[in-house]
Amino acid sequence: AQSVTQPDIHITVSEGASLELRCNYSYGATPYLFWYVQSPGQGLQLLLKYFSGDTLVQGIKGFEAEFKRSQSSFNLRKPSVHWSDAAEYFCSVGALYNFNKFYFGSGTKLNVKP
Amino acid sequence: EAQVTQNPRYLITVTGKKLTVTCSQNMNHEYMSWYRQDPGLGLRQIYYSMNVEVTDKGDVPEGYKVSRKEKRNFPLILESPSPNQTSLYFCASSLTGSKGYTFGSGTRLTVV
Repeated sequence: AQSVTQPDIHITVSEGASLELRCNYSYGATPYLFWYVQSPGQGLQLLLKYFSGDTLVQGIKGFEAEFKRSQSSFNLRKPSVHWSDAAEYFCSVGALYNFNKFYFGSGTKLNVKP
Repeated sequence: EAQVTQNPRYLITVTGKKLTVTCSQNMNHEYMSWYRQDPGLGLRQIYYSMNVEVTDKGDVPEGYKVSRKEKRNFPLILESPSPNQTSLYFCASSLTGSKGYTFGSGTRLTVV
């Protein structure tokens, strides 16, 4: 069965520091991979997605993610974090054969220190 | 503005009293889905729909019903709510699932 693991429940970084949020997935074939961000009291907003092609994908708000097939990982990165990036981040994997079936990790809550 | 609209945003109800959470999208999307979000569990899919009159169960469908009579609307029905359905619910839609989903702002449901 498909699954998504985000090993870090909480992460705190200083403003201006770099950020990497980890995501590992379990899937039998090349999946669709997504990162979403959820600000307090809001729905989820799509940051970026990957299906094929260049394994380094760029998203909105200065985020990028790298797909590593050998490690079954899709880690999210940002070179310099801003206070407004404080939010919860969710990794998601989708099924190639069924665009309705998506699985989400349990989320990583990011705190940003001034 | 392209959006997914859920109503109500907050709802407190009593056990056994039927309720409906509405979801509407204005983007002419084919795919729609309902999720519930619980602390430490991420989002879990309740039901999804590929088009009008086409719906299927997600991972946690027990105690829920849906309908898709029109393309834009996808209501979630709790016929007899129980306290374990207290949760934050999200509706989402997508033109094609490969592009990712647009989410509503959520409905926080409390069943007492």
